[in-house]
Amino acid sequence: AQSVTQLGSHVSVSEGALVLLRCNYSSSVPPYLFWYVQYPNQGLQLLLKYTSAATLVKGINGFEAEFKKSETSFHLTKPSAHMSDAAEYFCAVSDMSGANNLFFGTGTRLTVIP
Amino acid sequence: EADIYQTPRYLVIGTGKKITLECSQTMGHDKMYWYQQDPGMELHLIHYSYGVNSTEKGDLSSESTVSRIRTEHFPLTLESARPSHTSQYLCASRRGNGGNSPLHFGNGTRLTVT
Repeated sequence: AQSVTQLGSHVSVSEGALVLLRCNYSSSVPPYLFWYVQYPNQGLQLLLKYTSAATLVKGINGFEAEFKKSETSFHLTKPSAHMSDAAEYFCAVSDMSGANNLFFGTGTRLTVIP
Repeated sequence: EADIYQTPRYLVIGTGKKITLECSQTMGHDKMYWYQQDPGMELHLIHYSYGVNSTEKGDLSSESTVSRIRTEHFPLTLESARPSHTSQYLCASRRGNGGNSPLHFGNGTRLTVT
């Protein structure tokens, strides 16, 4: 069965510093992977997705993620954090069975320090 | 830009009451989902639907029920609310059958049962 593990429930970075949010997946077949962001009192918004094309995926708001099969990882990065990046980030993997449901990680709360 | 709408946004209700959480989408998506979200936990899939008259239970056992009489509408009902039902409920939809299509989320309903 597919699953994802997000390392670090809380990450703090200074404004302008590199953002790195970690996600490792478990899947017996090449997966579809997603990163979502959730701002307070809102639903989840898609940041980017990996669908077996380019391994480096660019998303919205300057975020990108690299699919590394050898490490079963799909870490999210942004070169320079902005105050508006403070939010909860969720990694998700698509169930490759007929249902194609998404399985989410437990989330990482990003705090940006001015 | 919200093409999927959930009402109410917040609901405080007493134990034993019947409640219905509304979810509507204007994108013509066949697949719709209900997730339950608690702080520090992954999103748990409680119900999903492939289309009209199709409903399935998700991975997390839930005492709620759903219906799908129209493509755009996917309400969730609790016949008798209990404090253990206190949570945030997120509705989502997606296009097509492929696992690479992303979910579109509503802004959620935060339910408190006293």
